[in-house]
Amino acid sequence: GAGVSQSPSNKVTEKGKDVELRCDPISGHTALYWYRQSLGQGLEFLIYFQGNSAPDKSGLPSDRFSAERTGGSVSTLTIQRTQQEDSAVYLCASSQGVTNEKLFFGSGTQLSVL
Amino acid sequence: GENVEQHPSTLSVQEGDSAVIKCTYSDSASNYFPWYKQELGKGPQLIIDIRSNVGEKKDQRIAVTLNKTAKHFSLHITETQPEDSAVYFCAAPGSSSSNTGKLIFGQGTTLQVKP
Repeated sequence: GAGVSQSPSNKVTEKGKDVELRCDPISGHTALYWYRQSLGQGLEFLIYFQGNSAPDKSGLPSDRFSAERTGGSVSTLTIQRTQQEDSAVYLCASSQGVTNEKLFFGSGTQLSVL
Repeated sequence: GENVEQHPSTLSVQEGDSAVIKCTYSDSASNYFPWYKQELGKGPQLIIDIRSNVGEKKDQRIAVTLNKTAKHFSLHITETQPEDSAVYFCAAPGSSSSNTGKLIFGQGTTLQVKP
């Protein structure tokens, strides 16, 4: 595909369940980002992967949140024991890996925790 | 770390008028300031960016100005059209002292252009 692909586009889950959100970055992009956008709010940084370097996890809100990037490509954001306040749009972006450059965003996963 | 403040949160203009959105940042070492546009149901898309070695950059109807002394930058849209209606985000690097490429975004401005 030509752009960043995220799946699922919508996810409804019950409080306490675990969820996995997937991101397929643009081929060849070495940098990958996860952001969270709550209703009517800005973009909250969660985690950043760059090549084989240790990820910048400074934005993860709690230890219930984790992310992996396997083989330098696909990334999975996992939220354990979901809470209602986790409801938001989770956006993934990728870039070529050079600092201070254009980010390409996916359309996001709308997560609803009931 | 960097802190980015954006104003106003909402802006309504008549078609053909100009719109201005302002952002301030806290880290004087920041050197890259992009603007993203988000349409309903889509991810944000870069529309223009400026680096700290210039004070202004234009691309057709949009322009960005940077005041490094005051640590603020602004987005200017002239001759607004209904398709300019969207949410606009400013951003700045999350850390100028490390190699991280993360961006810190402002809270967003919802622009409505009335026909």
